[in-house]
Amino acid sequence: EVQLVQSGAEVRQPGESLKISCEFSGRTFTSYWIAWVRQMPGKGLELMGTIYPGNSDTRYSPSLRGQVTIAVDKSTASVYLQWNSLKASDTAMYFCARRGDGWVFDVWGQGTLVTVSS
Amino acid sequence: QSALTQPASVSGTPGQSITISCVGTSTDIGAFNFVSWYQQHPGRVPKAIIYEVKNRPSGISDRFSGSKSGNTASLTISGLQAEDEADYYCTSMSTTSNLDYVFGTGTKVTVL
Repeated sequence: EVQLVQSGAEVRQPGESLKISCEFSGRTFTSYWIAWVRQMPGKGLELMGTIYPGNSDTRYSPSLRGQVTIAVDKSTASVYLQWNSLKASDTAMYFCARRGDGWVFDVWGQGTLVTVSS
Repeated sequence: QSALTQPASVSGTPGQSITISCVGTSTDIGAFNFVSWYQQHPGRVPKAIIYEVKNRPSGISDRFSGSKSGNTASLTISGLQAEDEADYYCTSMSTTSNLDYVFGTGTKVTVL
């Protein structure tokens, strides 16, 4: 059974950096796109970007390009979401999800709550 | 990349059927049969309940059904139950998104 396990909740101050992770368990890590989805407090789901672990092909939402970095480590079957300089507006729940057959996000991580506050 | 348009809220009484619309364009819903629907209870992880317009993943109740006509997809919940109270999101493959996807704005379903 495929599972995505995310790193724990984080609290940071504005301007700080942060890297959260999403570890894939099961077979075929390199064969499916992994997405990061943001949910700001009380708001809807927003697709931030996707990465294909097989060749590290990475795509970003135009509204977030340059603000975050998505990366993969095939040796640990993990995908990462990284900020160099957090803002209060980055406070949100972040989910990773696998895009399975049928173009559906069929497996989701449990979510990582990021709080940015001074 | 514009989001797919959903009604902000839909409500119904137990046992009733309700339908949530998801309006897109000819470059997303109208172009592909890759519409998915997700259910999210408060504080919980989203869960796929429909994929490829009308298919249900294993374990999903047959009270949930999906359809598409032109640029509009729909999710129907039959025999509404209290446990169906949640937020629902549609997604579609898209030719105008560099992410190949576009999400819907979300619909809050309330069981009266």
